[in-house]
Amino acid sequence: KQEVTQIPAALSVPEGENLVLNCSFTDSAIYNLQWFRQDPGKGLTSLLLIQSSQREQTSGRLNASLDKSSGRSTLYIAASQPGDSATYLCAVRGGANNLFFGTGTRLTVIP
Amino acid sequence: GAVVSQHPSWVICKSGTSVKIECRSLDFQATTMFWYRQFPKQSLMLMATSNEGSKATYEQGVEKDKFLINHASLTLSTLTVTSAHPEDSSFYICSVGQGGTEAFFGQGTRLTVV
Repeated sequence: KQEVTQIPAALSVPEGENLVLNCSFTDSAIYNLQWFRQDPGKGLTSLLLIQSSQREQTSGRLNASLDKSSGRSTLYIAASQPGDSATYLCAVRGGANNLFFGTGTRLTVIP
Repeated sequence: GAVVSQHPSWVICKSGTSVKIECRSLDFQATTMFWYRQFPKQSLMLMATSNEGSKATYEQGVEKDKFLINHASLTLSTLTVTSAHPEDSSFYICSVGQGGTEAFFGQGTRLTVV
């Protein structure tokens, strides 16, 4: 069964700092990997989707990379802002179409 | 992307009663929707796959008689928690999107059973 791990579990950084969130998965046979943002008590907002054939995707200050063979993905956030504070989840899609989620990284950006 | 609306956003019910949660795909015809559950400080776990016009597929350990799923149209799936108990208190969230496409989620429903 696919297992997804996110490190660190929590991270606090001062505003303006660049940061990297890590995601690893055990089964490299995936269709895609998706990064989400979840605010407390809220639903999930899709940030970036990387197909299994791709190596990275960029959207604004966000850049996600994928190394399928090693089972790793990173989410890079440039010039962090207090509004970036949230829990970031990565999820991989396996053959059954459902998503396997990591436990998330809770990010706090300090003004 | 697809817009997914979930209702209600939160609900409090008495133990033993049933609660229905609706998931609507507003701009996307979804033959398949997914229901997830998230306990505090844990990640999302897939409960079941809702299939339009046919029975839902439940994940191992999820009681199909307790969590009734109906997907009667391409835009609506409902999850009914029957005879709810305090241990069913959780955050329930639905999503659309399958295959190689992006997954989009509703805003979730916070269920508290007292």
